[in-house]
Amino acid sequence: KNEVEQSPQNLTAQEGEFITINCSYSVGISALHWLQQHPGGGIVSLFMLSSGKKKHGRLIATINIQEKHSSLHITASHPRDSAVYICAVRSGGSQGNLIFGKGTKLSVKP
Amino acid sequence: NAGVTQTPKFQVLKTGQSMTLQCAQDMNHNSMYWYRQDPGMGLRLIYYSASEGTTDKGEVPNGYNVSRLNKREFSLRLESAAPSQTSVYFCASRGTLGNQPQHFGDGTRLSIL
Repeated sequence: KNEVEQSPQNLTAQEGEFITINCSYSVGISALHWLQQHPGGGIVSLFMLSSGKKKHGRLIATINIQEKHSSLHITASHPRDSAVYICAVRSGGSQGNLIFGKGTKLSVKP
Repeated sequence: NAGVTQTPKFQVLKTGQSMTLQCAQDMNHNSMYWYRQDPGMGLRLIYYSASEGTTDKGEVPNGYNVSRLNKREFSLRLESAAPSQTSVYFCASRGTLGNQPQHFGDGTRLSIL
């Protein structure tokens, strides 16, 4: 079993829809990261969480440490949100390495 | 801001050839990483360097070597390329004060024929 599981693997939405991507993990963590990878291939960090909730524009990330679960929400989705969203956890303290999920491929249709 | 710069962006090799992937960061980060990304799999750590002068194996180090040339540069070498090493390779760096995000390069798409 993978230590970081994402669902769904693929997601197609219509422009304007509210989107949720889920991440569950099975190890103790010091932080959880959400990353975005565009079709061109570059990877950028969206959020780093150790508790609670963070918001940046139309993106919201939440984490429940007790349940070992995080969600990434996109409000009022837009075609430019189409990308692969990757969940990664840092275990082994703040200097530990990242363990990555397989990613969720999101396609937002106009 | 250059951030993390990888070269080359694309490369095609024949089985048995060698090559070095270059990575440089200008953020004064201590830690640097090399990952590979394959279809249907998450990013997997090949090697990392927690600080200048140190390197450690990650999850999939076989067939690779690394050099932390100085604080800025971290190179990945394939001594004798194999088709199984066809992948997209990403370099990343991060600061080490507390929990900080990793910054990724744009990737190198490597094909081994």
